[in-house]
Amino acid sequence: EAQVTQNPRYLITVTGKKLTVTCSQNMNHEYMSWYRQDPGLGLRQIYYSMNVEVTDKGDVPEGYKVSRKEKRNFPLILESPSPNQTSLYFCASSPNGLRGGYTFGSGTRLTVV
Amino acid sequence: AQKVTQAQTEISVVEKEDVTLDCVYETRDTTYYLFWYKQPPSGELVFLIRRNSFDEQNEISGRYSWNFQKSTSSFNFTITASQVVDSAVYFCALSGNAGGTSYGKLTFGQGTILTVHP
Repeated sequence: EAQVTQNPRYLITVTGKKLTVTCSQNMNHEYMSWYRQDPGLGLRQIYYSMNVEVTDKGDVPEGYKVSRKEKRNFPLILESPSPNQTSLYFCASSPNGLRGGYTFGSGTRLTVV
Repeated sequence: AQKVTQAQTEISVVEKEDVTLDCVYETRDTTYYLFWYKQPPSGELVFLIRRNSFDEQNEISGRYSWNFQKSTSSFNFTITASQVVDSAVYFCALSGNAGGTSYGKLTFGQGTILTVHP
């Protein structure tokens, strides 16, 4: 089954403790992206990747890192999480990002206390 | 830069009423794609429709219909005879080629919370 798998689904952590949210897709998509969803703001793009070793900032990249060492994986790293990063996070993949065909993961609800 | 505006933050209707969700977009791209997604209470994003900038034909799928008007940069979504199961957050989104690249960027509106009461 074609899918984007995010882990974990829920995470509560403390300020400053590094964490990684994993994202993996099995569709051989070139384009992958991370979004955060906050009430009243919709989904905002954090980072995206057009292919292996090619990443770029989205609209709200501060406090986040990503890497794309393999085509299927696109982890989101919070080196020093802060409470304002409490949010619902989505990973998405697409053949090229323009025409759609986006597949979204199930989401990761992160709480930073 | 591209932008999507959903001016209706929340809409509340009674079952069987028709409801229209508004979406207005801004882009400088000549080629772009418009989407609607549904987010039920369980949280996942469900794809509803995609429209490209060259196809202004309206579309109907069961109780759902979409009205795309380039002249007003709008892509509105109507649910006919709403049902309780339609209660969700609905997002309009735009994908453009972000200044001539071959890769697009998906920009979302703020979302509209639809509540359908029995």
